[in-house]
Amino acid sequence: KNEVEQSPQNLTAQEGEFITINCSYSVGISALHWLQQHPGGGIVSLFMLSSGKKKHGRLIATINIQEKHSSLHITASHPRDSAVYICAVRGGTGADGLTFGKGTHLIIQP
Amino acid sequence: DTAVSQTPKYLVTQMGNDKSIKCEQNLGHDTMYWYKQDSKKFLKIMFSYNNKELIINETVPNRFSPKSPDKAHLNLHINSLELGDSAVYFCASSPIAGGGEQYFGPGTRLTVT
Repeated sequence: KNEVEQSPQNLTAQEGEFITINCSYSVGISALHWLQQHPGGGIVSLFMLSSGKKKHGRLIATINIQEKHSSLHITASHPRDSAVYICAVRGGTGADGLTFGKGTHLIIQP
Repeated sequence: DTAVSQTPKYLVTQMGNDKSIKCEQNLGHDTMYWYKQDSKKFLKIMFSYNNKELIINETVPNRFSPKSPDKAHLNLHINSLELGDSAVYFCASSPIAGGGEQYFGPGTRLTVT
């Protein structure tokens, strides 16, 4: 069974700061997902990665398969980025559901 | 149009009752999932259905039973509700079994009193 660890658990930063959230997992995967959950509760998929790096607007996600590690970066952070960011991995066989980390609660102060 | 929808959004019921949560996706996806988010906000897979066939079933009590009348719908039936079943239940779908981004429904907050 895959163990997914995220750090930090909580992060408070000032508007404009560069944010990094880390995720590590214990067993080989077929894909890694970064999800965002807003205070209202809805979950949105930000990225799905199996290698390398992806960028969408101010968000960047990277993955190192050999080191079993991924990072989510937010450039020029804004209060609207305040949310819980969740790392989730999909196993290497069949139609596995996701195994989730415990999430990083991010607060961006104006 | 909402891609993945769930009803109801809120459900308050008493211990011992039987209830259902409905999920529908209009994305044409082959695979649908049920996840449970507990009071500490931790998400965990419950079930996965691919083309109406159950393909994983984590250690979930058999009081929970998924029902998929067609590949666009995956309903969750819960019998003999217990206090510990209180949680937010999310439905999701993905294009193919074992791959693709997952699209989540808005969640159903179940409160058992």
